[in-house]
Amino acid sequence: DGGITQSPKYLFRKEGQNVTLSCEQNLNHDAMYWYRQDPGQGLRLIYYSQIVNDFQKGDIAEGYSVSREKKESFPLTVTSAQKNPTAFYLCASTQRTGDQETQYFGPGTRLLVL
Amino acid sequence: AQSVTQPDIHITVSEGASLELRCNYSYGATPYLFWYVQSPGQGLQLLLKYFSGDTLVQGIKGFEAEFKRSQSSFNLRKPSVHWSDAAEYFCAVVEGNKLVFGAGTILRVKS
Repeated sequence: DGGITQSPKYLFRKEGQNVTLSCEQNLNHDAMYWYRQDPGQGLRLIYYSQIVNDFQKGDIAEGYSVSREKKESFPLTVTSAQKNPTAFYLCASTQRTGDQETQYFGPGTRLLVL
Repeated sequence: AQSVTQPDIHITVSEGASLELRCNYSYGATPYLFWYVQSPGQGLQLLLKYFSGDTLVQGIKGFEAEFKRSQSSFNLRKPSVHWSDAAEYFCAVVEGNKLVFGAGTILRVKS
């Protein structure tokens, strides 16, 4: 089955703790993205990566970090510097046909602060 | 920077009634436009997309959308709503290597 998987489905963070959200895709997509979703605010871009070993900050990168060591994987770390991490986190990857790109999304991870 | 406006935060329709969700974008050239649907606690599912060509686009689940350049709009429509259509709907436009999303419209379906 091809698709995007995110784990865990729910994640709890204690004060001062770093946590890592997993995102894996077996669609052979080059580009991957992380979004944060808060009620009433739509989706906001955290980081994105067009190719392996390269990534760019999105609109709200502060307090987050990423790596892209493999094409299939784009983990997101929520660091202790992110003071309001409670949100729903969505990973996406992009299918490209010529200059037309379509983003597909994983099922999401809900992060809660204890 | 581009922006996407979904004027309606909530919409309630009766089951079997028609539906139109509004989306307006700001972009000078021909935009690449998308509609996604999200059920509670789930990821986003692509309903349809517009890149070029026919301005009336057909999608999954009986949805369609019409691109109107003169109005900078890409409204989503469905002729007869089912209770299972209750969800949140997002319009999005491509900006460079990224998608810019609207704030979403929550659809409630009453029986």
